[in-house]
Amino acid sequence: DTAVSQTPKYLVTQMGNDKSIKCEQNLGHDTMYWYKQDSKKFLKIMFSYNNKELIINETVPNRFSPKSPDKAHLNLHINSLELGDSAVYFCASSPQGQGSYNEQFFGPGTRLTVL
Amino acid sequence: SQQGEEDPQALSIQEGENATMNCSYKTSINNLQWYRQNSGRGLVHLILIRSNEREKHSGRLRVTLDTSKKSSSLLITASRAADTASYFCATVKGAQKLVFGQGTRLTINP
Repeated sequence: DTAVSQTPKYLVTQMGNDKSIKCEQNLGHDTMYWYKQDSKKFLKIMFSYNNKELIINETVPNRFSPKSPDKAHLNLHINSLELGDSAVYFCASSPQGQGSYNEQFFGPGTRLTVL
Repeated sequence: SQQGEEDPQALSIQEGENATMNCSYKTSINNLQWYRQNSGRGLVHLILIRSNEREKHSGRLRVTLDTSKKSSSLLITASRAADTASYFCATVKGAQKLVFGQGTRLTINP
């Protein structure tokens, strides 16, 4: 059974389009995250949600809007896509409360290519 | 700013040899974690070491932490081809987030 799943796995789109990436976890965790990994493999946190509440927003452009309909889902919507948004986006989750004092469980990633 | 920095950036060894990767960071931490990323996959947690711990073992993995030098090392003993992957250290301080380094690409040659 997949613990943290993301869809789609690959996303190729034109500049200026709006796209969404979905994430679901079946671990019962309260905290979920979005990370961006660039072409140099540098992995940086974008957002963190705890029980549907935003707790971390790492100076991400307003074009990126996370949405958490329930604690098992954290979707990422991106408006007006730019070339620089091309990257691999990872969703992750961790147990309640002290999110990053515990290990995080990562999804398989979504490779976004903006043409 | 980026917290962890791994060294070396790339490491290639023969199967059966030991692999050592190092991580340095800049500020005080609550804990430090090591993750593995196979090509095209997500990260997998390997081991967590708290700031008041100096050494931790898990199977063929051994992690050390020197808070005075702000550094950690990951040792993989008796390496196998399946250990080929990128290895990342991530530090935790205060806020609920991991700050990752850029990773070490480890290649195990058969």
